[in-house]
This record gives sequence, structure tokens and C-alpha cells, in this order.
Amino acid sequence: DAGVIQSPRHEVTEMGQEVTLRCKPISGHDYLFWYRQTMMRGLELLIYFNNNVPIDDSGMPEDRFSAKMPNASFSTLKIQPSEPRDSAVYFCASSLTGGTGNEQFFGPGTRLTVL
Amino acid sequence: AQSVTQLDSHVSVSEGTPVLLRCNYSSSYSPSLFWYVQHPNKGLQLLLKYTSAATLVKGINGFEAEFKKSETSFHLTKPSAHMSDAAEYFCVVIRFSGGYNKLIFGAGTRLAVHP
Repeated sequence: DAGVIQSPRHEVTEMGQEVTLRCKPISGHDYLFWYRQTMMRGLELLIYFNNNVPIDDSGMPEDRFSAKMPNASFSTLKIQPSEPRDSAVYFCASSLTGGTGNEQFFGPGTRLTVL
Repeated sequence: AQSVTQLDSHVSVSEGTPVLLRCNYSSSYSPSLFWYVQHPNKGLQLLLKYTSAATLVKGINGFEAEFKKSETSFHLTKPSAHMSDAAEYFCVVIRFSGGYNKLIFGAGTRLAVHP
């Protein structure tokens, strides 16, 4: 398996533009997670899905952020409009189940820079 | 609520010397604990996990960690550092919240290995 795939790996955009980050989880994994990593706040869970359904989006910073999972093999995280403070590395992860001790497999991340 | 504290933000060792990365946890019940590693510009990879089985846990690349309930610690060790071990290491505790076991990350410890 190729692991969790994210695209693009790097994104540079201007403030006010729409940004879409993409993720393909590992086949057969029922859970998908979106994280954001910044120097100030470390790793934060933004939202997670179980069987394509959003379960907990309490980590989404504000209404400018939205996430979808139209099928088991694809998810998007969209920021509209983007702001400089959104600059961060965004990780997607997937896991087979949600049980204690179950490993989450992380993608390589998307480094977003908003100018 | 469950949390972890990584006691050192940076650790520097010479190649071939032991590595010790410290982590203390807080939990109202028997915790599940992980160590993840993040190499530069890469995603996170699971090193090892403790889920209430043996207190000494062996992971990949020669790393191990010992769960000590009396000290509420889960320190990561390796007998002999290699240049390829230079990375950021995250101690993680599971928090059951909203019907799901969430990963709660520590702030990270950056390990530098010198020749």
C-alpha cells in the first residue's frame, strides 16, 4: 500500500484565495483525520470522519474551514477565504478502527503558506 | 483529562551515545501511550505504543520505552544514537472524548545527533 497520500505537498497562495487540500487514506481504513501543525500550537486535531461521516469537527478553527469526505478514498479540507494565520502544515491520517491503541497512519503533509 | 508533558524541547547527543527523551503523563485511569517520530518534511510514524500490557515496550529502530506508573512517566530510550535518529519525537496519550479515542500530542522534543 502506498500509505496516506496528500496533495499538494506545498501550496503558496495569497490572502483571500480559496485553498483545497486533498487526502487519500489507506484502503480499508474506516477513520480519517485532519490535523494542523504550527510552531505556536503544535499538532491539533481539526476534524475526523468515521465511514465518511464527520463525527467531531470541534477543532475546526472557524467557518472559513470546511472538510468533506465524498467517498471512502477521498477527503478534502477547504479554506475560504484563506488568511496568513492559516499558514501551517496540514496532515491527514487514517486508521483501521477507533479503538484504544489503534495506530494512526499519517500522510507527508501539505505545507501551506498564505501571503 | 489526559495530557502529556515532554520535559525537554531540544536534546543533543553524540552519535553512539544513549538517547533519553522524557515524557510525563497525567491520566485519571490507566492510559494508552505512544511515541511518534517526525523526520524533516515527513509525516509522523509510530515508534511504539503501550496499552496496559508489558511495561517495557520495544519499538522500531532500536527504541524502547518503559511505563512507570509510580512516576507517571513514559520515557523513550535508545542505547546508541545514530545520525538517522535526528528528528522530532512526540509523546502521545489517548483521551476518550466524544465517543472516540483521540490522540493528545505533547509539544515535541527535537533530537539532534552530532558526529
